[in-house]
Amino acid sequence: GAGVSQTPSNKVTEKGKYVELRCDPISGHTALYWYRQSLGQGPEFLIYFQGTGAADDSGLPNDRFFAVRPEGSVSTLKIQRTERGDSAVYLCASSLNSKGPQHFGDGTRLSIL
Amino acid sequence: AQSVTQLGSHVSVSEGALVLLRCNYSSSVPPYLFWYVQYPNQGLQLLLKYTTGATLVKGINGFEAEFKKSETSFHLTKPSAHMSDAAEYFCAVSDRGRDDKIIFGKGTRLHILP
Repeated sequence: GAGVSQTPSNKVTEKGKYVELRCDPISGHTALYWYRQSLGQGPEFLIYFQGTGAADDSGLPNDRFFAVRPEGSVSTLKIQRTERGDSAVYLCASSLNSKGPQHFGDGTRLSIL
Repeated sequence: AQSVTQLGSHVSVSEGALVLLRCNYSSSVPPYLFWYVQYPNQGLQLLLKYTTGATLVKGINGFEAEFKKSETSFHLTKPSAHMSDAAEYFCAVSDRGRDDKIIFGKGTRLHILP
């Protein structure tokens, strides 16, 4: 069956630009997670949705980062006024509910020039 | 706050030899502990998970890990390494003893020598 899909797989943009990263979870999964993985590091938690609402957004680094999940399925991570330090692989995961194992997508590699 | 420490950013073993990847955790609540594997340019795949009960946990691809509360450790082992095991391995702990907010270690890259 289809896994977690993330688009685009790669994104290159200039400093100061706005970017949107998309995540399509596994069908029927109510929980969705965003992580950021910098070079040589483990994934770092950003935000977790249960349904349409953000259950925990404590990992968002600052107010330039925002995520939505308006219909409880697809989620978009939005980054305003990008900085070079935002360059990383952004991983999305989904689970059947908050008690289930997380299934990860292949990530979006974001490069800020 | 919960955290994990993985000892050794790179580990090399010969094909057929024992694999041992070390992980120590810190947790203020009974932990959920995980090992994930990441192959190049791919997302993470769950190898195994400890929640409660039996302290020796068996996972996929012949891996297993043992939860040792007295040592706050959750080391990953495999009796005989295969070339296909070459990847990055992440130990992780959940923030609230649940499956949602997961805190990852920095990872250990496993190299398999022919």
